[in-house]
Amino acid sequence: QQQVKQSPQSLIVQKGGISIINCAYENTAFDYFPWYQQFPGKGPALLIAIRPDVSEKKEGRFTISFNKSAKQFSLHIMDSQPGDSATYFCAASNRGGSNYKLTFGKGTLLTVNP
Amino acid sequence: DVKVTQSSRYLVKRTGEKVFLECVQDMDHENMFWYRQDPGLGLRLIYFSYDVKMKEKGDIPEGYSVSREKKERFSLILESASTNQTSMYLCASTRDRASGANVLTFGAGSRLTVL
Repeated sequence: QQQVKQSPQSLIVQKGGISIINCAYENTAFDYFPWYQQFPGKGPALLIAIRPDVSEKKEGRFTISFNKSAKQFSLHIMDSQPGDSATYFCAASNRGGSNYKLTFGKGTLLTVNP
Repeated sequence: DVKVTQSSRYLVKRTGEKVFLECVQDMDHENMFWYRQDPGLGLRLIYFSYDVKMKEKGDIPEGYSVSREKKERFSLILESASTNQTSMYLCASTRDRASGANVLTFGAGSRLTVL
């Protein structure tokens, strides 16, 4: 079974700090790596995504770093804010296969203390 | 604002009852999905559908069935609810396969408790 392994399960960061969440995958056919953000009482929503032809993608305070050889990717949240407190899911898919089917990590509960 | 609407936010059912969870999307999306979310287990795919009347099993289809009679509506059915099906259920949709875009739009979820 295809897997995406996510760590840590939970993370507490002080306001202004850097939050880092890591994911590793096994299937080398994966070619799309999104991150979803979920606030309490809401469904997950796409935050940022990367394709393996680049090693980094930045959108505001959020950056994905991608290491194809290690089969790892990570989410960095710079200057973390209490409003970033949410559950974060990494995911991966293979556009050549069932390209609309995402495999999700188990999630990271991020708490940013004021 | 486009959305995925799940008709029931909270349900409480008895063991053995038949349960219907309804999902409607207004984005004319081809593909629809049902996930369940449990603490520590993340999002697990139950079933998905890429066209009307078409369905495919996901990773954990046992104990569930689905129905897609119209493009905008995807129903999850628990034929005989059991306590281990107590969970948060999330519906999602995405555009057609040919577009290469698989950005999922999720509903707010249906929290089911089976007593």
